[in-house]
Amino acid sequence: DVKVTQSSRYLVKRTGEKVFLECVQDMDHENMFWYRQDPGLGLRLIYFSYDVKMKEKGDIPEGYSVSREKKERFSLILESASTNQTSMYLCASSFSLAGLTYEQYFGPGTRLTVT
Amino acid sequence: AQRVTQPEKLLSVFKGAPVELKCNYSYSGSPELFWYVQYSRQRLQLLLRHISRESIKGFTADLNKGETSFHLKKPFAQEEDSAMYYCALTGGYQKVTFGTGTKLQVIP
Repeated sequence: DVKVTQSSRYLVKRTGEKVFLECVQDMDHENMFWYRQDPGLGLRLIYFSYDVKMKEKGDIPEGYSVSREKKERFSLILESASTNQTSMYLCASSFSLAGLTYEQYFGPGTRLTVT
Repeated sequence: AQRVTQPEKLLSVFKGAPVELKCNYSYSGSPELFWYVQYSRQRLQLLLRHISRESIKGFTADLNKGETSFHLKKPFAQEEDSAMYYCALTGGYQKVTFGTGTKLQVIP
């Protein structure tokens, strides 16, 4: 079974704090993703990575950065947290083979509240 | 740019009635399309992908390139089908776009 774990289930931070969200997968997947999930807006892609040290902006990268120093770990960083970053954050991983993309496996999510 | 549209936020059906969750997409190349489901208090998980052409939990979805649609169907809804359903598209360079989701409510 693929396991994708996230460092925290719930997190409360103050405005202006630097926030680190960590994601680890144990199935040697090349691709890793960070989303935020908001009611009525679905999942919106923040950043993704298709290899170690590689990163690509998703649809809403502003205010976020990422780091992927090891294949199994993908970190999301909020440089200076703001209240509009209060959300559920989901990490996912997937692999690709012969040009085909296989399904994403999701972590349980981190509910971040910025006060 | 790639886009996925799920026009219904909420779909309520009676148990035993047919279900159709709509998904339309916009993408210039050949997309890979998926349906994901999130049951209450569970993590998001794959339901099915178009390339597999299989039926999972009685659900099927056919890719219609002419209409750029990938609607999810089930002939007889069950109470345990109540969940949030997301349509997703993988385009170039592994970028994934999700729709806004449809909440399916099956009324006993």
